[in-house]
Amino acid sequence: GQNIDQPTEMTATEGAIVQINCTYQTSGFNGLFWYQQHAGEAPTFLSYNVLDGLEEKGRFSSFLSRSKGYSYLLLKELQMKDSASYLCAVMDSNYQLIWGAGTKLIIKP
Amino acid sequence: NAGVTQTPKFQVLKTGQSMTLQCAQDMNHEYMSWYRQDPGMGLRLIHYSVGAGITDQGEVPNGYNVSRSTTEDFPLRLLSAAPSQTSVYFCASTHQGGTGANVLTFGAGSRLTVL
Repeated sequence: GQNIDQPTEMTATEGAIVQINCTYQTSGFNGLFWYQQHAGEAPTFLSYNVLDGLEEKGRFSSFLSRSKGYSYLLLKELQMKDSASYLCAVMDSNYQLIWGAGTKLIIKP
Repeated sequence: NAGVTQTPKFQVLKTGQSMTLQCAQDMNHEYMSWYRQDPGMGLRLIHYSVGAGITDQGEVPNGYNVSRSTTEDFPLRLLSAAPSQTSVYFCASTHQGGTGANVLTFGAGSRLTVL
């Protein structure tokens, strides 16, 4: 079956750096997405990786290794507003998105 | 530009009742979809549509119907509500036909409780 694994919850300190990992086993691969979801709100797009390597976008970066079935989202200079759930999703060979359960990130002052 | 608009935001139903969740987008997106989100689980695809007049089943279609008579609207109908359908429902749309950077724009969500 298809599976996306990410930690359920992580805690970090304001101003620090945190890395949220995502491992996947899917039928084919056509890209990996990260979305941010604040409590009670809709998911919003953060990043997309289809080739191996690091994609940087301001304080957020996303890394992909297709051979290892692995990605991470790196958040730098953490702010209180970064407290949210981070969802990893992989597009499979049928161009359907397979979603992880999300990682709840708690930022402490 | 409103994006994706979902109504209602909250709804309580009794077992066996039917209802329709409305979804409309003003971005001229071809692709629209409905997901449900349950605690401890990833988003699960219920139904999707790649254009007006075309719909298809996702991972968890049982108990739900959809139609796509226009590009803008994609309502989700619960035929006979069951407690297992208690969930948060999201409508989403995108320009891409399912290939490439298929970035989804989500509606605000509809929280449904079935008693």
